[in-house]
Amino acid sequence: NAGVTQTPKFQVLKTGQSMTLQCAQDMNHEYMSWYRQDPGMGLRLIHYSVGAGITDQGEVPNGYNVSRSTTEDFPLRLLSAAPSQTSVYFCASSHRGLVEKLFFGSGTQLSVL
Amino acid sequence: GENVEQHPSTLSVQEGDSAVIKCTYSDSASNYFPWYKQELGKRPQLIIDIRSNVGEKKDQRIAVTLNKTAKHFSLHITETQPEDSAVYFCAARPGGYQKVTFGTGTKLQVIP
Repeated sequence: NAGVTQTPKFQVLKTGQSMTLQCAQDMNHEYMSWYRQDPGMGLRLIHYSVGAGITDQGEVPNGYNVSRSTTEDFPLRLLSAAPSQTSVYFCASSHRGLVEKLFFGSGTQLSVL
Repeated sequence: GENVEQHPSTLSVQEGDSAVIKCTYSDSASNYFPWYKQELGKRPQLIIDIRSNVGEKKDQRIAVTLNKTAKHFSLHITETQPEDSAVYFCAARPGGYQKVTFGTGTKLQVIP
């Protein structure tokens, strides 16, 4: 099993550009989520999904969109990148009844200039 | 929503000494309290978790304690080793909710 796979590992954007961070898991997890990690602020939840076709907002959803068309994939879209979105992004998944036992991807380091 | 505070933000100990990281939470409905370890440049990984019906849990050199009345929980690492150097995050999740709220992290340095 590959676990949780994120692409790309690094990305540089210009302000106003759009892009999609990809996340896939092969553990048949119902629950998937996106976090951003900033120095001194821990991990903050952006969006999450408890199954295909179901998504909901986390703590910091503004500027990000998600969709969940399959159990395996949970892409994160930045519609118009801003410097404040410079961060490290982690995708994480778990079984629905064990949401606190998260499996994280390797992360995407995003810089917005 | 849930708010988790974590202290200290940095901690340096000599190899072989013990380390303690403390967290408090705000939502009395929180029932699940995981701890994650993140080595430099790596992904966070779950190292231990405790549920509200348990006061203490041990796994070799690490232990977690929970005081639901005071709404605080702690991570204890005994006989620290250089490979324990990492950032540790506590987290909390209310029962019935699908959101995990993390603390701001503690950078632990074990000095050989």
